[in-house]
Amino acid sequence: DVKVTQSSRYLVKRTGEKVFLECVQDMDHENMFWYRQDPGLGLRLIYFSYDVKMKEKGDIPEGYSVSREKKERFSLILESASTNQTSMYLCASRTSGYNEQFFGPGTRLTVL
Amino acid sequence: DQQVKQNSPSLSVQEGRISILNCDYTNSMFDYFLWYKKYPAEGPTFLISISSIKDKNEDGRFTVFLNKSAKHLSLHIVPSQPGDSAVYFCAASGPQGGSEKLVFGKGTKLTVNP
Repeated sequence: DVKVTQSSRYLVKRTGEKVFLECVQDMDHENMFWYRQDPGLGLRLIYFSYDVKMKEKGDIPEGYSVSREKKERFSLILESASTNQTSMYLCASRTSGYNEQFFGPGTRLTVL
Repeated sequence: DQQVKQNSPSLSVQEGRISILNCDYTNSMFDYFLWYKKYPAEGPTFLISISSIKDKNEDGRFTVFLNKSAKHLSLHIVPSQPGDSAVYFCAASGPQGGSEKLVFGKGTKLTVNP
């Protein structure tokens, strides 16, 4: 079974803190993705990575950065957390050339 | 601009009846479509997909229909079960070798009443 894991299920941070969300996949997938899900807005793509050390902006990259130093790990960084970044964050991965993405369980981030 | 639209935020059906979830798209370059199911506090799980060369794909109780001329697809669940209660997302993808991204709709919350 494909497994995508995320470092935390629930996280509470304060405004201005630097926040790291980690995602690890065990299927040797080339592509990895970070989304946020908000009520009424669906899944919106923040960043994605084709391969190690490669990254591309998604639809809403402002306020976020990413890091992909190893193939299995894709990190999302909130440089200075703000209350409007309170959301459910979802990581996904897939084999290059295939459409289906496999999602992790999500991290519910609350910024106070 | 929203390229994938799920115009019904919610749908309620009785157990045993058919559930029909709809999805419209605007980009004629999309050639592959997927449905994901999401329970609260969990990540989305892949349900069923269809390529643009087909107009129907079936997997057990789940059938997806694609009408390319209308740029419309629908997911039929029959018979519906209470465990099907979840948010369903429609997603679309561009040509192979082109877009690497999935474009998601906003989701439809399905409630199946016992």
